[in-house]
Amino acid sequence: EAGVAQSPRYKIIEKRQSVAFWCNPISGHATLYWYQQILGQGPKLLIQFQNNGVVDDSQLPKDRFSAERLKGVDSTLKIQPAKLEDSAVYLCASSLGGLSNTEAFFGQGTRLTVV
Amino acid sequence: DAKTTQPTSMDCAEGRAANLPCNHSTISGNEYVYWYRQIHSQGPQYIIHGLKNNETNEMASLIITEDRKSSTLILPHATLRDTAVYYCIVRERDTGTASKLTFGTGTRLQVTL
Repeated sequence: EAGVAQSPRYKIIEKRQSVAFWCNPISGHATLYWYQQILGQGPKLLIQFQNNGVVDDSQLPKDRFSAERLKGVDSTLKIQPAKLEDSAVYLCASSLGGLSNTEAFFGQGTRLTVV
Repeated sequence: DAKTTQPTSMDCAEGRAANLPCNHSTISGNEYVYWYRQIHSQGPQYIIHGLKNNETNEMASLIITEDRKSSTLILPHATLRDTAVYYCIVRERDTGTASKLTFGTGTRLQVTL
């Protein structure tokens, strides 16, 4: 089966510019996650969707980050304006979710460099 | 915050078993132990998970102590392709909504010739 697709793979922007990342989860997966991974650290959850509703966005810097999953399938994550410290890999993951514990499948990520 | 403690790094000779320990002394009864790994420049990959019984799949074995306060991931015959960062994660059992994965810093496993 097709995996989690993310684009672009790499992005370089100047600080104060805006950027958007796109994620297409595995077909049928109700749960979608966005993670931020700074070099040398483990991934940190930014936001979790169940279908098109937000389950957890407690660690999302809402003054500059936003995410949406309008039709409960694809999702976009936006940063506006970007700061130097936003340089990281942004990972999207999806899982079936629900009553049984299921694994989350991760995309390859988008590597963002803010200069 | 991650609820697990892992060694920062480990080495293993190719062909030998790699035993990666994890402490999760505050785990509760409704939490699973999950293991993921992340090979350089890739997203994390699921390996195995368990509740209280030992588990085995085609990739690895998971040994959970009787008190559930620690576990060990075993790669029976490590190869160079197993070089990666291994994350031990305590994950709440789903309750209608999939629970999140909270990553720590993991163990960097280096498999050598």
